[in-house]
Amino acid sequence: ETGVTQSPTHLIKTRGQQVTLRCSSQSGHNTVSWYQQALGQGPQFIFQYYREEENGRGNFPPRFSGLQFPNYSSELNVNALELDDSALYLCASSFREVVNTEAFFGQGTRLTVV
Amino acid sequence: LAKTTQPISMDSYEGQEVNITCSHNNIATNDYITWYQQFPSQGPRFIIQGYKTKVTNEVASLFIPADRKSSTLSLPRVSLSDTAVYYCLVGGNNDMRFGAGTRLTVKP
Repeated sequence: ETGVTQSPTHLIKTRGQQVTLRCSSQSGHNTVSWYQQALGQGPQFIFQYYREEENGRGNFPPRFSGLQFPNYSSELNVNALELDDSALYLCASSFREVVNTEAFFGQGTRLTVV
Repeated sequence: LAKTTQPISMDSYEGQEVNITCSHNNIATNDYITWYQQFPSQGPRFIIQGYKTKVTNEVASLFIPADRKSSTLSLPRVSLSDTAVYYCLVGGNNDMRFGAGTRLTVKP
């Protein structure tokens, strides 16, 4: 078990709605990365937050946005949900200042858009 | 960004040693090589990381040749519970990009 927790574990939303997913990072970690994993595929990098600022972004539209709080926890917000947004959303926490330490993943949030 | 290439799937039997090779021809000087394991509907779990030569921990070994353009994850004496998807990543923990991974199936 890692110290990274995500909530909720499962969520069903309707197309066009907005959703907020939450992630609490491992104690001592200051960086949170978010990933989208469609069924049968590898996790796709959405973005990373470090010290409350976005620090790198993958190929995702602006309707995917995030926040990081002073305690290093983070939120992923998705507006105008589309059916293709249905996926497992993963967050990973790490300590940015040490590049070769492992990142810890949460168990993910399964989002279903209907 | 270095791109990685791994076999899509592999089969093995309990008790055998499994070697999964990853190609990363464009690896940068500062990049580390990291392997993760993922079970269905769970987040990836760190297995091992290395920069060059050989690294060994309690669950696996990682072999990296001198040119660092490939790496091999070695799992000794696999069991049914090692059935999972294995991902090879290059970079640091601040820039982790996953490929499609290798689906390992361990048979009795």
